[in-house]
Amino acid sequence: KAGVTQTPRYLIKTRGQQVTLSCSPISGHRSVSWYQQTPGQGLQFLFEYFSETQRNKGNFPGRFSGRQFSNSRSEMNVSTLELGDSALYLCASSGALANTGELFFGEGSRLTVL
Amino acid sequence: AQSVAQPEDQVNVAEGNPLTVKCTYSVSGNPYLFWYVQYPNRGLQFLLKYITGDNLVKGSYGFEAEFNKSQTSFHLKKPSALVSDSALYFCAVRDRGSTLGRLYFGRGTQLTVWP
Repeated sequence: KAGVTQTPRYLIKTRGQQVTLSCSPISGHRSVSWYQQTPGQGLQFLFEYFSETQRNKGNFPGRFSGRQFSNSRSEMNVSTLELGDSALYLCASSGALANTGELFFGEGSRLTVL
Repeated sequence: AQSVAQPEDQVNVAEGNPLTVKCTYSVSGNPYLFWYVQYPNRGLQFLLKYITGDNLVKGSYGFEAEFNKSQTSFHLKKPSALVSDSALYFCAVRDRGSTLGRLYFGRGTQLTVWP
């Protein structure tokens, strides 16, 4: 079974631009979550989607948004990029029906903002 | 507020020796506890979890973790370290009342196993 796939793996943008990152969960998984990983802040939760509905959200500004499609694929968008948005963005999926399940992470999209 | 502490940024052990990576947490109620490992330029890989029951849980690659409710700790252990265990290890917790995708992570501990 294929794992969580994130595209693109690497990208470089300049301040003020916007970026869209894509995540394809493991087949059959309906829960998709996004995390930001930086050396300074560590791993921080962005948001979580289930069946096309956002059901949890972290403490990030409105420039960060996401959505989930009917096939469970998810995208996240960051508008008006800032230097501090440079990070590894990780997507995770789960097929668990209860909240005792573990998350399965993709390899991430590394964003560099110049 | 929920928080996870990994008091050691770096742990160095010799191959063949036992290893321990420490984790303490501050979460209301009885949280679910997890360990993940991250290799360079890769995502996180699940190692093990504690939900309920036996305080010693066994996971992937020979790792185990001991849950101690009174000390609110969940230390990761392995009886005999391998050089290939060298990686970044994260402890994470989930509040029982929270959603599936919401984990709180520690800052990570870099484990180096030298030959």
